[in-house]
Amino acid sequence: EVQLVESGGDLVQPGGSLRLSCAASGFTFTNYAMSWVRQAPGKGLEWVSSINAGAGSPHLADSVKGRFTISRDNSRDIVYLQMTSLRGEDTATYYCARAISTRGYNLDWGQGTLVVVSS
Amino acid sequence: EIVLTQSPATLSLSPGERATLSCRASQSVTNYLAWYQHKPGQAPRLLIFDASSRATGIPARFSGSGSGADFTLTISSLEPDDFAVYYCHQHSDRPLTFGGGTKVEIK
Repeated sequence: EVQLVESGGDLVQPGGSLRLSCAASGFTFTNYAMSWVRQAPGKGLEWVSSINAGAGSPHLADSVKGRFTISRDNSRDIVYLQMTSLRGEDTATYYCARAISTRGYNLDWGQGTLVVVSS
Repeated sequence: EIVLTQSPATLSLSPGERATLSCRASQSVTNYLAWYQHKPGQAPRLLIFDASSRATGIPARFSGSGSGADFTLTISSLEPDDFAVYYCHQHSDRPLTFGGGTKVEIK
């Protein structure tokens, strides 16, 4: 059974930093791209970032480019989202997803971790 | 950026009724379109990929159709477990984008 477990969400002040983690199990991690998608309170889904199976070719949404970094540790089956210079509009539940490719659909999703940016 | 417009925003139906959800793209996405079901507090679930292929374990009452810029998700006979929000998602071009969602609620 595929499992994706996000962690690291927290209350953080504007301008602060946070690192989200997503622990994967139940599939061969190195065969799949991984993505982060977020959902602001009361809003729809927004793609944030994707990284290919080999940890190369990271892609970021314009709204987070220069502030967020995606990475993965293929020895530990974990994908990360490093978030810096956080803003109020980054407040959202962040979902990790197993993707068919960095430009593909998401096969499986985690339950999400909540990030609140507020003073 | 490809904009996906879903309609209606809310669909009020009774169990057993047919649900028809629309997703229109601002330009052609060929068949690079997926549909997800999302319930509060849960992980989104892939229903349909490549516009019309059902994902593993998805019941046959869910079907997708369309190509180019107009797509439809049909639930042939609503079960109590089907009341949720449904999102379409294009992966034809970056940035990947999602529609605003259609909430299927119990009438």
